[in-house]
Amino acid sequence: EVQLVESGGGLVQTGGSLRLSCSASGFTFSSYAMHWVRQAPGKGLEYVSAISSNGGNTYYADSVKGRFTISRDNSKNTLYLQMSSLRAEDTAVYYCVTTFGEGWFDPWGQGTLVTVSS
Amino acid sequence: EIVMTQSPATLSVSPGERATLSCRASQSVSSNLAWYQQKPGQAPRLLIYGASTRATGIPARFSGSGSGTEFTLTISSLQSEDFAVYYCQQYNKWPLYTFGQGTKLEIK
Repeated sequence: EVQLVESGGGLVQTGGSLRLSCSASGFTFSSYAMHWVRQAPGKGLEYVSAISSNGGNTYYADSVKGRFTISRDNSKNTLYLQMSSLRAEDTAVYYCVTTFGEGWFDPWGQGTLVTVSS
Repeated sequence: EIVMTQSPATLSVSPGERATLSCRASQSVSSNLAWYQQKPGQAPRLLIYGASTRATGIPARFSGSGSGTEFTLTISSLQSEDFAVYYCQQYNKWPLYTFGQGTKLEIK
């Protein structure tokens, strides 16, 4: 069974940093690109960042470019999102997802909540 | 960036009736479109991919259609568990994926 378990969320002050992790199991993690999608409270889904299977290519939404860094450790089947210079508008549930190379996201983890407050 | 626009923002339908949700892309995405259902406090769930293929375990009352820039999700006979928020997502070009803003399907 494919499982994606996010962790590392919490309350952080404006301007602070946080690192999210996503532990993957049930599939060959090193073979697939991975992604982060977030959802602010009461809002829609926002595609945040992506990383290729070997980590050589990364992508960031304009809203997080220069502040967030996506990475992965294929030996540990783990995806990361290093977030810095956090703003109130970064408050959201962050989901780790994969597409298995196809484009649609399935399955989804339970997400981890990041709250940025002054 | 491809902008996905969903309509209406809120749809009120009675149980047992048909619901039709729309999604429009700002440029052609071919059939590279997925639909998700999200209930309060839960992660999204994949319903449809390839514009019209139901995901594993999705009931036949859910159907998707369209290609290019115009897409539709139809729920043929609404059940109580279908009232939720629905999102479309285009995946025409990695990694520039985008979601629609969502349609809330509520009980009339």
